[in-house]
Amino acid sequence: AQSVTQLGSHVSVSEGALVLLRCNYSSSVPPYLFWYVQYPNQGLQLLLKYTTGATLVKGINGFEAEFKKSETSFHLTNPSAHMSDAAEYFCAVSSNTNAGKSTFGDGTTLTVKP
Amino acid sequence: DTEVTQTPKHLVMGMTNKKSLKCEQHMGHRAMYWYKQKAKKPPELMFVYSYEKLSINESVPSRFSPECPNSSLLNLHLHALQPEDSALYLCASSQEVTASTGELFFGEGSRLTVL
Repeated sequence: AQSVTQLGSHVSVSEGALVLLRCNYSSSVPPYLFWYVQYPNQGLQLLLKYTTGATLVKGINGFEAEFKKSETSFHLTNPSAHMSDAAEYFCAVSSNTNAGKSTFGDGTTLTVKP
Repeated sequence: DTEVTQTPKHLVMGMTNKKSLKCEQHMGHRAMYWYKQKAKKPPELMFVYSYEKLSINESVPSRFSPECPNSSLLNLHLHALQPEDSALYLCASSQEVTASTGELFFGEGSRLTVL
């Protein structure tokens, strides 16, 4: 069984400020973890992923996330928000025994203020 | 540019109509998916095809009928839909269902309105 909890359905930051989007997961087997971004009227796009190896993973547009097994977390950060980062962000979990059924969190809407 | 192409981008249909949504990928992926997404909600899995065979049906009503003619194409046939079926329908693909990281490649979606 697997599940994802995204803390905070809405996050608002000023342009240039740190972005922190929280994701906690539950999985009975080693997880694969993903962050997807969805811009208005578009599909989901992969930002970054953790499968094995280095626990700090870097993605597109300056985003990175750290897999912390002890905390069952995979929080997404960006040191400097841009207006173009405003979007819906989804954390997702899957595993090699259940790769056909990714479980998504409820999403976090990121607003960037000028 | 997305490597998963969905058509049409917008579709309006009456409850008695029959229509189809189409999806195409040329990444050599052997798994293809249909998701339904309501506004401000995460995608909900509907169907999974693995090597052109239906492997997962998430108890979707029979008014939705998937079809996978070949490894690159995925269709979703729609008939006698209800207004509550109005949503964004997303197609996705991945390398395989098993022995895979599960990374999904999404199309831009087909926005369906049922009148």
